[in-house]
Amino acid sequence: AQSVTQLDSHVSVSEGTPVLLRCNYSSSYSPSLFWYVQHPNKGLQLLLKYTSAATLVKGINGFEAEFKKSETSFHLTKPSAHMSDAAEYFCVVSDQRGYNKLIFGAGTRLAVHP
Amino acid sequence: GAVVSQHPSRVICKSGTSVKIECRSLDFQATTMFWYRQFPKKSLMLMATSNEGSKATYEQGVEKDKFLINHASLTLSTLTVTSAHPEDSSFYICSASHGGFLRSNQPQHFGDGTRLSIL
Repeated sequence: AQSVTQLDSHVSVSEGTPVLLRCNYSSSYSPSLFWYVQHPNKGLQLLLKYTSAATLVKGINGFEAEFKKSETSFHLTKPSAHMSDAAEYFCVVSDQRGYNKLIFGAGTRLAVHP
Repeated sequence: GAVVSQHPSRVICKSGTSVKIECRSLDFQATTMFWYRQFPKKSLMLMATSNEGSKATYEQGVEKDKFLINHASLTLSTLTVTSAHPEDSSFYICSASHGGFLRSNQPQHFGDGTRLSIL
């Protein structure tokens, strides 16, 4: 079975400082992994995806994530937080056995302070 | 990028009425569409997977007769909440994917969600 664990339910940073949102996965297969962002009362926007190509994945808005198989991790980072980054972030793994069913982590709420 | 439109964005209605939510892929053909439910401050819960031209596959615990899903074309799927009650109040989100079976590397593109409130 596949699963995703987001290690922090809330992360708070100051504007201009680095962001680290942690995610560990469990998968019997070579996984496809995604990070999505959700702003209040909105749907989800894809930040980036890993699909067994380069282990360092660059996404939109300056975010990137590194796939580490030995650590079963896929942490999301950004060098410098912006106020507009405040949102809910979901780490997601894809079930490769069927129709692209997504398995969501519990989410991490990122707060950015001036 | 791929755009998914969900309508309406907000619905408030009386208990016992049926509510239809539409999900459209505007610039691509969505072989597969998904319906999620999200409770306040919680993650997304997959309700069903919808493939064009065939019956939807519901997740365990989701009532098929309560949540009717139709995927009549490659650009439109609808979710109808039948005889809605206050406990059905929630945020419903659809997504669409280019991929079909075993194409798990195709990302899902999400609509903006529908806030359903049953009085």
